[in-house]
Amino acid sequence: RKEVEQDPGPFNVPEGATVAFNCTYSNSASQSFFWYRQDCRKEPKLLMSVYSSGNEDGRFTAQLNRASQYISLLIRDSKLSDSATYLCVVLGAGNNRKLIWGLGTSLAVNP
Amino acid sequence: DTAVSQTPKYLVTQMGNDKSIKCEQNLGHDTMYWYKQDSKKFLKIMFSYNNKELIINETVPNRFSPKSPDKAHLNLHINSLELGDSAVYFCASSPPGQGLISYEQYFGPGTRLTVT
Repeated sequence: RKEVEQDPGPFNVPEGATVAFNCTYSNSASQSFFWYRQDCRKEPKLLMSVYSSGNEDGRFTAQLNRASQYISLLIRDSKLSDSATYLCVVLGAGNNRKLIWGLGTSLAVNP
Repeated sequence: DTAVSQTPKYLVTQMGNDKSIKCEQNLGHDTMYWYKQDSKKFLKIMFSYNNKELIINETVPNRFSPKSPDKAHLNLHINSLELGDSAVYFCASSPPGQGLISYEQYFGPGTRLTVT
């Protein structure tokens, strides 16, 4: 099992739609979780951290389910500019204390 | 006033050559990283330096040698380039976090390396 797994997509949605991505992680001792966004041929940029209680930033909501070892990202009212790859990132624990990156989920928002 | 800059942006070279990629950050961060993103878009850490000292050295061929002359610079030298080295190489830096590794990574624009 990969350390961090994401459905690569692509997810094709119309403008205004709500879309959700999940990401599973294998190490139950993992401590911290994040979503990064990467536009085509650009560098990744931090989108938001994922807190245990769930957190919201505008149209974006991130949630953590430790029991099932997954995190999610929900995007409401999708905009054309949301088209990008969303990377799930997990901060490992113990001897594996480094950032572990998922392959990303590709989102295309269509007019 | 780019935060993390890399040169060159594109690099096309032949197998067997030696090349270097340079990275500089003006954010005052102590930790810098090199990542490789291959054609499958998998982003994998290669090295990390904290205040000029190597703290992460993943399993990469020893043809790859990082050098950090000061905490604002982290260069990557690659010897005897191979076809499989073709990828985008990202430099990143981060402010202090829990320990030496912070989740808040600031990436450079990437260097697209093509080995022919």
